[in-house]
Amino acid sequence: DQQVKQNSPSLSVQEGRISILNCDYTNSMFDYFLWYKKYPAEGPTFLISISSIKDKNEDGRFTVFLNKSAKHLSLHIVPSQPGDSAVYFCAASPPIIGGSNYKLTFGKGTLLTVNP
Amino acid sequence: NAGVTQTPKFQVLKTGQSMTLQCAQDMNHEYMSWYRQDPGMGLRLIHYSVGAGITDQGEVPNGYNVSRSTTEDFPLRLLSAAPSQTSVYFCASSSQRLRLAGPPTDTQYFGPGTRLTVL
Repeated sequence: DQQVKQNSPSLSVQEGRISILNCDYTNSMFDYFLWYKKYPAEGPTFLISISSIKDKNEDGRFTVFLNKSAKHLSLHIVPSQPGDSAVYFCAASPPIIGGSNYKLTFGKGTLLTVNP
Repeated sequence: NAGVTQTPKFQVLKTGQSMTLQCAQDMNHEYMSWYRQDPGMGLRLIHYSVGAGITDQGEVPNGYNVSRSTTEDFPLRLLSAAPSQTSVYFCASSSQRLRLAGPPTDTQYFGPGTRLTVL
């Protein structure tokens, strides 16, 4: 039973355009959501996160939107650059009072290709 | 500051062999975790630790043992390797952040991974 779903295995976008990566979750206990970026032969690196008390978080070219009622979040990259080409993982964390996000549930990932 | 280091980078085992994947971090993080990534799958949590001497199981713990004798090290042991354990293994660490005043500003740092093949 997959609790975090990324239904698009891949996405191809032209440089300068917007990239939108989607993620759905089924566990209503999740209260914190993260996006990780992964290049081949490297470990994932943290990109951006959002708490369930917010519906939007922005960091430079990256914006994450959260729709709690739909159990859906999306990552927008504007403008997309060739260096953004990587696998993007959506991850979710249950509430951990006083703790950190050490127990993450990941989606399968979406391969983003940004064409020059 | 090396961050999270993993050794070896690559390993080939025969079915039934044992080995230990090493993970170390120099950021004084309390929390450490092991994940595996299989083709077409996301990362799945194997075991995690919230501090020295404390470990717990994640989503896919069978066939793996862990221990946490120091804050810095969190080795993953395969006692009798099986082909189903062929995967890329990632170690991660993070520090404690209180959520009381909003979301943590820190999150998990991942190592570069160990690619394991079991024949």
